[in-house]
Amino acid sequence: DIVMTQSPDSLAVSLGERATINCKSSQSVLYSPNNKNYLGWYQKKPGQPPKLLIHWASTRESGVPDRFSGSGSGTDFTLTISSLQAEDVAVYYCQQYYTTRRTFGQGTKLEIK
Amino acid sequence: QVQLVESGGGVVQAGRSLRLSCAASGFTFSNYGMHWVRQAPGKGLEWVAVIWSDGSNKYYADSVKGRFTISRDNSKNTLYLQMNSLRAEDTAVYYCAKPWDADSSGSGAFDIWGQGTVVTVSS
Repeated sequence: DIVMTQSPDSLAVSLGERATINCKSSQSVLYSPNNKNYLGWYQKKPGQPPKLLIHWASTRESGVPDRFSGSGSGTDFTLTISSLQAEDVAVYYCQQYYTTRRTFGQGTKLEIK
Repeated sequence: QVQLVESGGGVVQAGRSLRLSCAASGFTFSNYGMHWVRQAPGKGLEWVAVIWSDGSNKYYADSVKGRFTISRDNSKNTLYLQMNSLRAEDTAVYYCAKPWDADSSGSGAFDIWGQGTVVTVSS
């Protein structure tokens, strides 16, 4: 199975500042025939199901604020929140869907400083 | 609107069985491979199982292989997870999830999730 490793495990950022979360996969999730990275980012708040923010590593899901952006390719990926809002407090997960047996990162807890 | 509603969770003794259901609506269920994902208390998300759109292929996480069985009834737009020989470490919120892509194998990120059903295994 592909192992997904996120860093940091937790992060405290001031309101209006930038938050950056990293995700590294144990093998490439870039599918060469279509040049797409099979990588998604989710936001998880207590008592709610996960919410898909980004898929194909950098495509923002409909309705997701444009302060959320994804980047990276191959094995190294980043989720950036350009200007942190109070409602962004959550745990964020990356997930690979390159293989049938999906795997998630361990999660990054984002808090307000 | 597109919706997934899980049911069947509860408190069960270790070693016993439980069957979860996930009722789908608002999309052509039979076109999508479907997944189960769980989250244990204080832990992260763990993928559990996937089933092809026609039920022909099923894959499981190592932690549940041989104990859990995923199935579906496309005539009822319903996904199932039969959980046998339950252990304390199976205690979690169980979510069904729909992939973004209308692909028989369930490929794509998960764009629609149910609200989850809580399974508690007591020892």
